[in-house]
Amino acid sequence: DAGVIQSPRHEVTEMGQEVTLRCKPISGHNSLFWYRQTMMRGLELLIYFNNNVPIDDSGMPEDRFSAKMPNASFSTLKIQPSEPRDSAVYFCASSPWTGEKLFFGSGTQLSVL
Amino acid sequence: AQTVTQSQPEMSVQEAETVTLSCTYDTSESNYYLFWYKQPPSRQMILVIRQEAYKQQNATENRFSVNFQKAAKSFSLKISDSQLGDTAMYFCAFMIGSGGSNYKLTFGKGTLLTVNP
Repeated sequence: DAGVIQSPRHEVTEMGQEVTLRCKPISGHNSLFWYRQTMMRGLELLIYFNNNVPIDDSGMPEDRFSAKMPNASFSTLKIQPSEPRDSAVYFCASSPWTGEKLFFGSGTQLSVL
Repeated sequence: AQTVTQSQPEMSVQEAETVTLSCTYDTSESNYYLFWYKQPPSRQMILVIRQEAYKQQNATENRFSVNFQKAAKSFSLKISDSQLGDTAMYFCAFMIGSGGSNYKLTFGKGTLLTVNP
């Protein structure tokens, strides 16, 4: 298996622009997670899906952030409009079932200028 | 809410020696899982070891082992025969094992380990 695939690996954009991050989980995994990593706050869970349904989005910082999982093999995290404080590494992870380890993608390094 | 604390922001060890990274957590749950993840400079998050709270036996994976003290809510990672490739940020993480929908992974702030030649 190719593992969790995220794109793009790097994204540089200007403040106010829309940013879309993409994730393909490992086939057969039921759960998908979006994390954000910054120096100040470490790794924070933004949202997670179970069987394509959003279960907990309490970590989404504000309405500018939205996430979708239209099917079992694809998810997006969208920021509109983007702000410099959104600059971070965004990770997607998937897992097969409760209590099992999370498999992480390589992350997207987002820089908002 | 669950919290995970790693009190050592940075540590260093000489190649071939042993090092222990500390982690404490706070929870009122009785069924949960604990993990150590490694993040090398490549940025990839790699699972090092996993422990089920209901198991008394400490988990081991080759040169990596844990000291799980449930009553003290402590979960330290021991790396034996340290290698240069072990240089990375290490994160302790906690997951509730209720079997329902609330099984998100909560991370500590991390410990940066440097292995010196």
